[in-house]
Amino acid sequence: GAVVSQHPSRVICKSGTSVKIECRSLDFQATTMFWYRQFPKQSLMLMATSNEGSKATYEQGVEKDKFLINHASLTLSTLTVTSAHPEDSSFYICSAKKGPEAFFGQGTRLTVV
Amino acid sequence: EDKVVQSPLSLVVHEGDTVTLNCSYEVTNFRSLLWYKQEKKAPTFLFMLTSSGIEKKSGRLSSILDKKELFSILNITATQTGDSAIYLCAAPNTGNQFYFGTGTSLTVIP
Repeated sequence: GAVVSQHPSRVICKSGTSVKIECRSLDFQATTMFWYRQFPKQSLMLMATSNEGSKATYEQGVEKDKFLINHASLTLSTLTVTSAHPEDSSFYICSAKKGPEAFFGQGTRLTVV
Repeated sequence: EDKVVQSPLSLVVHEGDTVTLNCSYEVTNFRSLLWYKQEKKAPTFLFMLTSSGIEKKSGRLSSILDKKELFSILNITATQTGDSAIYLCAAPNTGNQFYFGTGTSLTVIP
């Protein structure tokens, strides 16, 4: 099977600091990865599509300067929440595309205090 | 090792057919079982199941959880072409770590 590892699983940070979340495809190469944010009603909101070697494509309403995405290699994409605020507290999930399938990380619970 | 397994991996049916999608899980400190429909990139939420034996229903879709046998099924009756999608199930644990299945790709032919 295909494994996607997301790290850290939970993080608490102070307001105004930046937090980096990593998404790694462990046993396959992923030219495309997706970053989602989960809201209380359990829906997953697509934030951006991360393409290896090029700029990420952000969905409407997602601030690209606040949510920095880097996909520098075929196995790693990172999401950096810059100048985090309490309203950024949420659950962030990545997925990596392998052929027609998408494999999900385990998610990161971010709490900004 | 915690995991979620979905079957079948793919399914092709004709409009009007009824389908049953399966999701089995082995998750320590299991909290709930979620079903999503993924048509393009972003999965949309369908159901959240926490108790065994209680069917959740939304239109032609219904789902039920068996916490003893560790599985859930998603039924779609009178399928339509708009039901074509990938159906994902996920099982978060009490620590809010999510375990996703790889999905069942459903294609409904007119």
